[in-house]
Amino acid sequence: SAVISQKPSRDICQRGTSLTIQCQVDSQVTMMFWYRQQPGQSLTLIATANQGSEATYESGFVIDKFPISRPNLTFSTLTVSNMSPEDSSIYLCSVRQGPEEKLFFGSGTQLSVL
Amino acid sequence: RKEVEQDPGPFNVPEGATVAFNCTYSNSASQSFFWYRQDCRKEPKLLMSVYSSGNEDGRFTAQLNRASQYISLLIRDSKLSDSATYLCVVINLDSWGKLQFGAGTQVVVTP
Repeated sequence: SAVISQKPSRDICQRGTSLTIQCQVDSQVTMMFWYRQQPGQSLTLIATANQGSEATYESGFVIDKFPISRPNLTFSTLTVSNMSPEDSSIYLCSVRQGPEEKLFFGSGTQLSVL
Repeated sequence: RKEVEQDPGPFNVPEGATVAFNCTYSNSASQSFFWYRQDCRKEPKLLMSVYSSGNEDGRFTAQLNRASQYISLLIRDSKLSDSATYLCVVINLDSWGKLQFGAGTQVVVTP
């Protein structure tokens, strides 16, 4: 399985600021996925990050709020911009691997916005 | 109606007992199924795939019932370390292989 390093593991931020989350994979992958998990809820896909092209955002998520970079096949960043308390959540990067396309996650970023 | 539904629990289980719970899915085009385990404030980790014939991994048994559109997870001889939230994940072929997550079933194993 892929080894995915994600940082920061947690942060407490002020309203109106931005936070960039980094995700590093130990192997080359075509797509990387960014999820959000709000307390007590299921994971929600924010966007799919493709190397060499713009990220594909899911309904309810926009690039201005969650800009994503994918400079190469092993790295991606997600920025949470102009944060509000409603952005408090766990953010997870992930990749799919193997013939069954199993999903593997980074260790997550626990974000609290005051 | 959510595409993937789980009983949120908690299921309080005495150590050594057996616990089982289901996950229902609404899309008949669902093709692949997985159980993930998530500890509090940690990332989900793959527990096991679910195959049509049913599969077992140690104390864990997963089954798929396509006719009734649900999967199940059974944990035998529960350990304290089994306490976690168990997420059901479904992949639908008709939505470009997107994953659908259940909200999870919480299991609490007590001494």
